Amino acid sequence: DAGITQSPRHKVTETGTPVTLRCHQTENHRYMYWYRQDPGHGLRLIHYSYGVKDTDKGEVSDGYSVSRSKTEDFLLTLESATSSQTSVYFCAIGNLGNTEAFFGQGTRLTVV
Amino acid sequence: TQLLEQSPQFLSIQEGENLTVYCNSSSVFSSLQWYRQEPGEGPVLLVTVVTGGEVKKLKRLTFQFGDARKDSSLHITAAQPGDTGLYLCAGADQVGGGADGLTFGKGTHLIIQP
Repeated sequence: DAGITQSPRHKVTETGTPVTLRCHQTENHRYMYWYRQDPGHGLRLIHYSYGVKDTDKGEVSDGYSVSRSKTEDFLLTLESATSSQTSVYFCAIGNLGNTEAFFGQGTRLTVV
Repeated sequence: TQLLEQSPQFLSIQEGENLTVYCNSSSVFSSLQWYRQEPGEGPVLLVTVVTGGEVKKLKRLTFQFGDARKDSSLHITAAQPGDTGLYLCAGADQVGGGADGLTFGKGTHLIIQP
């Protein structure tokens, strides 16, 4: 178990509302990632972070923002949730020079 | 954009049978990883292969990286119900990068019937 906790595990929200998902790690890994997983698309990278206050966009970043104020916490915010953002969101951690990713248990988000 | 095609998409077999799933691309990868994901859980890393032609074994699972580092296979011998899950391959596009350089396949859904 890689010591990654995602919260909440399940959330239903209304279109147009802001939503924040939290990822907390106890492994002191430098890199953190947010992915979404959808049928027919597989895992797609939303945003990632190489360290505190150092973030960058992934493949599907539109409509999402992230923040990392501490090594252990990586927050994903949906500024104004849309139905297309209904998905399962996974946080992952990794280390410098290593492409291996260790995933959390996921957050199932439904936007109605 | 690098793409990884996994086949088959779905596979349902009886306990005790052997199976192979494939991960193919037209791109060269510096390394390739296999993950297994169970319902309601995140993917769990099974193995990383780095060298062309490399073979790694994990109990009844055998992983092979193609000579040209464009493809990989996962062979399971004497499948058991506990092998049921979604198997994902992921290719890394550079040496020394982070997981942001990973390209994931869409996965093979494997069901092993008792």
